Amino acid sequence: EVQLVESGGGLVQPGGSLKLSCAASGFTFSGSAMHWVRQASGKGLEWVGRIRSKANSYATAYAASVKGRFTISRDDSKNTAYLQMNSLKTEDTAVYYCTRHIVGATTWGAFDIWGQGTMVTVSS
Amino acid sequence: QSVLTQPPSVSGAPGQRVTISCTGSSSNIGAGYDVHWYQQLPGTAPKLLIYGNSNRPSGVPDRFSGSKSGTSASLAIAGLQAEDEADYYCQSYDSSLSGYVFGTGTKVTVL
Repeated sequence: EVQLVESGGGLVQPGGSLKLSCAASGFTFSGSAMHWVRQASGKGLEWVGRIRSKANSYATAYAASVKGRFTISRDDSKNTAYLQMNSLKTEDTAVYYCTRHIVGATTWGAFDIWGQGTMVTVSS
Repeated sequence: QSVLTQPPSVSGAPGQRVTISCTGSSSNIGAGYDVHWYQQLPGTAPKLLIYGNSNRPSGVPDRFSGSKSGTSASLAIAGLQAEDEADYYCQSYDSSLSGYVFGTGTKVTVL
């Protein structure tokens, strides 16, 4: 079964750090670009960032709102992507989803597999 | 702040057809980037509904269709069913932001 499972969410104080994990199964993880998307309670979806595959030099990109504070990495041997979040702010409170960039389609930029999400709460 | 604008809500009776618009600009939809649509049922993760402007992933009913023209795109739901009650988001890429962007989201209510 094709699946993404996030973990690592929780409560953290402003200015603190947290690292999320995204475990993949059922597909060739090493060849896939992986993204993180977040959603504050009652709000819309916001793209956070992405990491490409080894073939694309593990290139990363981030939304302006998190650039310099968040870092995406991956361990292809463990089929896992990570989101390291530093200098957290209250406005980072959200459900964080990992998602796969679409594979095998004549399009670009869609996300075809999503995890169930993990909740991050930044509060004192 | 979303750069793709959608109506906050649309509604229709069972069996009716509803459409959701997604308005962008010359740096995203108008620049030729594909538009994709997601359905998010209450309390669940988003699900890819339409990719590449008008293509349906396997398992998505043909009641759902997408189109794109100029700086806008649309999602149509024909033969509305109770199970279609959800939030719907359009998504594309923005060259000015150098990142992916989502629409503001539309809540579909089946009357």
